[in-house]
Amino acid sequence: GNSVTQMEGPVTLSEEAFLTINCTYTATGYPSLFWYVQYPGEGLQLLLKATKADDKGSNKGFEATYRKETTSFHLEKGSVQVSDSAVYFCALSSANTGNQFYFGTGTSLTVIP
Amino acid sequence: EAQVTQNPRYLITVTGKKLTVTCSQNMNHEYMSWYRQDPGLGLRQIYYSMNVEVTDKGDVPEGYKVSRKEKRNFPLILESPSPNQTSLYFCASSFRMNHNEQFFGPGTRLTVL
Repeated sequence: GNSVTQMEGPVTLSEEAFLTINCTYTATGYPSLFWYVQYPGEGLQLLLKATKADDKGSNKGFEATYRKETTSFHLEKGSVQVSDSAVYFCALSSANTGNQFYFGTGTSLTVIP
Repeated sequence: EAQVTQNPRYLITVTGKKLTVTCSQNMNHEYMSWYRQDPGLGLRQIYYSMNVEVTDKGDVPEGYKVSRKEKRNFPLILESPSPNQTSLYFCASSFRMNHNEQFFGPGTRLTVL
Protein backbone atom coordinates (compact mmCIF):
# COMPACT_ATOMS: atom_id res chain seq x y z
CA GLY A 1 0.00 0.00 0.00
CA ASN A 2 0.86 3.66 0.04
CA SER A 3 2.12 5.38 3.15
CA VAL A 4 4.30 8.14 4.53
CA THR A 5 6.47 7.78 7.61
CA GLN A 6 7.84 10.83 9.42
CA MET A 7 10.21 11.12 12.30
CA GLU A 8 8.36 11.50 15.55
CA GLY A 9 8.45 14.69 17.49
CA PRO A 10 8.27 16.93 19.19
CA VAL A 11 11.46 18.60 18.08
CA THR A 12 12.85 21.53 20.05
CA LEU A 13 15.69 23.61 18.64
CA SER A 14 17.43 26.83 19.50
CA GLU A 15 17.19 29.71 17.07
CA GLU A 16 19.69 29.45 14.17
CA ALA A 17 20.10 25.69 14.62
CA PHE A 18 20.04 23.27 11.68
CA LEU A 19 16.80 21.40 11.11
CA THR A 20 16.20 17.99 9.58
CA ILE A 21 12.85 16.24 9.61
CA ASN A 22 13.00 12.79 8.07
CA CYS A 23 10.32 11.48 5.73
CA THR A 24 10.21 8.18 3.89
CA TYR A 25 7.45 6.86 1.70
CA THR A 26 6.01 3.73 0.19
CA ALA A 27 4.14 4.09 -3.06
CA THR A 28 3.52 2.41 -6.37
CA GLY A 29 4.57 4.25 -9.47
CA TYR A 30 6.04 7.73 -9.32
CA PRO A 31 4.38 9.86 -6.67
CA SER A 32 4.58 13.60 -6.16
CA LEU A 33 5.90 14.55 -2.74
CA PHE A 34 4.95 17.50 -0.58
CA TRP A 35 5.74 19.21 2.69
CA TYR A 36 2.89 21.09 4.34
CA VAL A 37 3.12 23.33 7.40
CA GLN A 38 0.43 23.98 9.98
CA TYR A 39 0.78 27.01 12.22
CA PRO A 40 -1.14 27.01 15.50
CA GLY A 41 -4.89 27.29 15.01
CA GLU A 42 -4.67 27.28 11.21
CA GLY A 43 -5.15 24.94 8.30
CA LEU A 44 -2.29 23.41 6.36
CA GLN A 45 -0.29 25.39 3.82
CA LEU A 46 1.95 24.01 1.12
CA LEU A 47 5.61 24.61 2.00
CA LEU A 48 7.29 22.92 -0.97
CA LYS A 49 6.89 20.07 -3.41
CA ALA A 50 8.77 17.85 -5.86
CA THR A 51 7.15 15.95 -8.68
CA LYS A 52 9.92 13.66 -9.94
CA ALA A 53 13.07 11.94 -8.78
CA ASP A 54 16.05 14.19 -7.96
CA ASP A 55 13.86 17.31 -7.96
CA LYS A 56 14.57 19.71 -5.12
CA GLY A 57 11.70 21.70 -3.68
CA SER A 58 12.54 24.88 -1.81
CA ASN A 59 10.72 27.75 -0.11
CA LYS A 60 11.40 30.17 2.76
CA GLY A 61 14.83 28.64 3.34
CA PHE A 62 13.46 25.09 3.56
CA GLU A 63 14.60 22.42 1.12
CA ALA A 64 13.80 18.80 0.36
CA THR A 65 15.13 16.51 -2.36
CA TYR A 66 13.12 13.68 -3.90
CA ARG A 67 15.33 10.59 -3.51
CA LYS A 68 13.84 7.65 -5.31
CA GLU A 69 16.68 5.28 -4.44
CA THR A 70 16.08 5.74 -0.71
CA THR A 71 12.34 6.61 -1.03
CA SER A 72 12.94 9.70 1.06
CA PHE A 73 12.02 13.38 1.07
CA HIS A 74 13.74 14.84 4.13
CA LEU A 75 13.03 18.46 5.07
CA GLU A 76 16.00 20.69 5.94
CA LYS A 77 16.65 24.27 6.92
CA GLY A 78 20.03 25.73 7.68
CA SER A 79 19.01 28.23 10.34
CA VAL A 80 15.61 28.05 11.99
CA GLN A 81 13.75 31.00 13.44
CA VAL A 82 11.16 31.26 16.20
CA SER A 83 8.56 31.91 13.50
CA ASP A 84 9.21 28.42 12.07
CA SER A 85 7.54 26.84 15.10
CA ALA A 86 4.73 24.76 13.63
CA VAL A 87 3.71 21.20 12.74
CA TYR A 88 5.20 19.85 9.51
CA PHE A 89 3.54 17.16 7.42
CA CYS A 90 5.06 15.09 4.66
CA ALA A 91 2.58 13.89 2.01
CA LEU A 92 2.38 12.05 -1.28
CA SER A 93 -0.01 11.71 -4.13
CA SER A 94 0.02 9.66 -7.27
CA ALA A 95 -2.26 8.63 -10.05
CA ASN A 96 -1.54 5.11 -8.81
CA THR A 97 -3.02 5.93 -5.41
CA GLY A 98 -6.41 6.39 -6.94
CA ASN A 99 -6.31 10.17 -6.62
CA GLN A 100 -5.86 9.97 -2.87
CA PHE A 101 -3.50 12.00 -0.75
CA TYR A 102 -1.49 10.34 2.02
CA PHE A 103 -0.09 12.33 4.92
CA GLY A 104 2.44 11.47 7.56
CA THR A 105 1.57 11.88 11.23
CA GLY A 106 3.21 15.29 11.47
CA THR A 107 6.26 16.55 13.36
CA SER A 108 5.89 19.37 15.84
CA LEU A 109 8.77 21.86 15.84
CA THR A 110 9.37 24.43 18.56
CA VAL A 111 12.16 26.96 18.13
CA ILE A 112 13.30 28.74 21.26
CA PRO A 113 15.11 32.10 21.29
CA GLU B 1 -9.54 36.70 -1.79
CA ALA B 2 -8.98 33.09 -2.83
CA GLN B 3 -10.01 30.84 0.01
CA VAL B 4 -11.68 27.73 1.33
CA THR B 5 -14.30 28.39 3.96
CA GLN B 6 -15.81 25.95 6.43
CA ASN B 7 -18.76 26.31 8.76
CA PRO B 8 -19.16 25.97 11.60
CA ARG B 9 -15.66 26.38 13.02
CA TYR B 10 -16.64 24.76 16.30
CA LEU B 11 -19.48 22.38 17.07
CA ILE B 12 -20.51 20.40 20.12
CA THR B 13 -23.30 17.92 19.56
CA VAL B 14 -24.75 14.71 20.95
CA THR B 15 -24.67 11.17 19.67
CA GLY B 16 -27.13 10.50 16.87
CA LYS B 17 -28.01 14.07 15.98
CA LYS B 18 -27.46 14.59 12.27
CA LEU B 19 -25.14 17.40 11.30
CA THR B 20 -23.60 18.97 8.21
CA VAL B 21 -20.30 20.79 7.92
CA THR B 22 -20.21 23.04 4.89
CA CYS B 23 -17.20 23.68 2.68
CA SER B 24 -16.98 26.22 -0.10
CA GLN B 25 -14.15 27.38 -2.36
CA ASN B 26 -14.01 30.37 -4.70
CA MET B 27 -11.09 29.25 -6.88
CA ASN B 28 -13.01 27.16 -9.43
CA HIS B 29 -11.15 24.05 -8.30
CA GLU B 30 -12.23 20.67 -9.65
CA TYR B 31 -10.83 18.60 -6.79
CA MET B 32 -12.16 18.82 -3.23
CA SER B 33 -11.50 16.65 -0.23
CA TRP B 34 -12.29 16.12 3.43
CA TYR B 35 -9.76 15.08 6.08
CA ARG B 36 -9.84 14.42 9.76
CA GLN B 37 -6.88 15.17 11.99
CA ASP B 38 -6.33 13.17 15.16
CA PRO B 39 -3.38 13.20 17.55
CA GLY B 40 -0.74 10.68 16.56
CA LEU B 41 -2.56 9.79 13.33
CA GLY B 42 -1.95 12.88 11.22
CA LEU B 43 -4.46 13.66 8.49
CA ARG B 44 -6.60 10.91 7.07
CA GLN B 45 -8.69 11.36 3.98
CA ILE B 46 -12.43 10.76 4.40
CA TYR B 47 -13.87 11.46 0.94
CA TYR B 48 -12.78 13.29 -2.16
CA SER B 49 -14.37 14.56 -5.34
CA MET B 50 -12.76 14.93 -8.73
CA ASN B 51 -15.59 17.10 -10.07
CA VAL B 52 -19.32 17.75 -9.87
CA GLU B 53 -21.32 14.57 -9.15
CA VAL B 54 -18.10 12.52 -8.80
CA THR B 55 -17.15 11.41 -5.29
CA ASP B 56 -14.94 8.61 -3.94
CA LYS B 57 -14.06 7.11 -0.59
CA GLY B 58 -10.79 7.89 1.08
CA ASP B 59 -9.20 5.89 3.86
CA VAL B 60 -11.82 6.47 6.58
CA PRO B 61 -15.27 6.97 4.99
CA GLU B 62 -17.36 5.01 7.49
CA GLY B 63 -20.00 7.14 9.17
CA TYR B 64 -19.71 10.02 6.69
CA LYS B 65 -21.48 11.11 3.53
CA VAL B 66 -20.66 13.81 1.00
CA SER B 67 -22.25 15.36 -2.04
CA ARG B 68 -20.96 17.50 -4.90
CA LYS B 69 -23.91 19.13 -6.61
CA GLU B 70 -22.03 22.34 -7.39
CA LYS B 71 -18.38 22.85 -8.17
CA ARG B 72 -17.77 25.26 -5.29
CA ASN B 73 -19.45 23.30 -2.47
CA PHE B 74 -18.61 19.99 -0.84
CA PRO B 75 -20.56 19.42 2.39
CA LEU B 76 -19.67 16.69 4.86
CA ILE B 77 -22.65 14.96 6.43
CA LEU B 78 -22.69 12.90 9.61
CA GLU B 79 -26.06 11.12 9.64
CA SER B 80 -25.66 9.69 13.15
CA PRO B 81 -22.56 11.08 14.83
CA SER B 82 -20.75 9.01 17.43
CA PRO B 83 -18.07 9.98 19.97
CA ASN B 84 -15.31 8.41 17.84
CA GLN B 85 -16.01 11.09 15.24
CA THR B 86 -14.82 13.76 17.63
CA SER B 87 -11.98 15.30 15.66
CA LEU B 88 -10.62 18.29 13.78
CA TYR B 89 -11.92 18.32 10.20
CA PHE B 90 -10.35 20.05 7.22
CA CYS B 91 -11.70 20.67 3.76
CA ALA B 92 -9.25 21.19 0.90
CA SER B 93 -9.38 21.95 -2.81
CA SER B 94 -7.09 22.07 -5.82
CA PHE B 95 -7.29 22.45 -9.58
CA ARG B 96 -6.58 18.78 -10.13
CA MET B 97 -5.15 15.95 -8.18
CA ASN B 98 -1.57 14.85 -8.10
CA HIS B 99 0.99 17.56 -8.69
CA ASN B 100 -1.06 20.48 -7.55
CA GLU B 101 -1.15 22.32 -4.27
CA GLN B 102 -4.16 21.73 -2.09
CA PHE B 103 -5.63 24.77 -0.36
CA PHE B 104 -6.98 24.03 3.09
CA GLY B 105 -9.84 25.55 5.01
CA PRO B 106 -9.37 26.77 8.61
CA GLY B 107 -10.78 23.59 10.16
CA THR B 108 -13.89 22.56 12.09
CA ARG B 109 -13.47 21.22 15.59
CA LEU B 110 -16.27 18.75 16.28
CA THR B 111 -17.07 17.23 19.65
CA VAL B 112 -19.67 14.46 19.87
CA LEU B 113 -20.86 13.73 23.40
